[in-house]
Amino acid sequence: DTAVSQTPKYLVTQMGNDKSIKCEQNLGHDTMYWYKQDSKKFLKIMFSYNNKELIINETVPNRFSPKSPDKAHLNLHINSLELGDSAVYFCASSHGTVLNTEAFFGQGTRLTVV
Amino acid sequence: RKEVEQDPGPFNVPEGATVAFNCTYSNSASQSFFWYRQDCRKEPKLLMSVYSSGNEDGRFTAQLNRASQYISLLIRDSKLSDSATYLCVVILAGGTSYGKLTFGQGTILTVHP
Repeated sequence: DTAVSQTPKYLVTQMGNDKSIKCEQNLGHDTMYWYKQDSKKFLKIMFSYNNKELIINETVPNRFSPKSPDKAHLNLHINSLELGDSAVYFCASSHGTVLNTEAFFGQGTRLTVV
Repeated sequence: RKEVEQDPGPFNVPEGATVAFNCTYSNSASQSFFWYRQDCRKEPKLLMSVYSSGNEDGRFTAQLNRASQYISLLIRDSKLSDSATYLCVVILAGGTSYGKLTFGQGTILTVHP
């Protein structure tokens, strides 16, 4: 069974469109994250949710809206897509309040905005 | 100054070589330290945690120097399969950090025959 699964794996869309990426984890973790990996391969946190509550919002444009319907799911909706949004988006989960806890990542969603 | 800095490399080494990666972090309140590995077009995966006393896992040795805010990873007897990007990762404790992983930019390793 896949521990953290995100869909779709690839997403190609035009500028101005709205799209969503879904993420689910079956590890029983209380904390989920969205990370963005840009063309220089740098991984940067976007959002973190703990028990469905938004904990971290790293100055991400408000075109990006995360939603956590329950502890096991964290979806990312993006409005009015721009060329600069092209990147790989990784969902992850962990026991957020435990030190030295391992984070598990989904396989990534490669978003290309044309 | 970046929160976590690594030498991006790339490091190109022959099989059997020993290679060392370094990482520095800026926030002295950082509490948890890791090395993750990311293969090309794949997700990051935990390689090993890093403890103050230093720790070893087979051919891999990790060291932490809190006074210098410095982390290292040593790979002995490199294998072709070690080729990947190695990511230094730091977590702040407490508050609203909630396990937020802060990544270095990664060090690319290529092991050749």
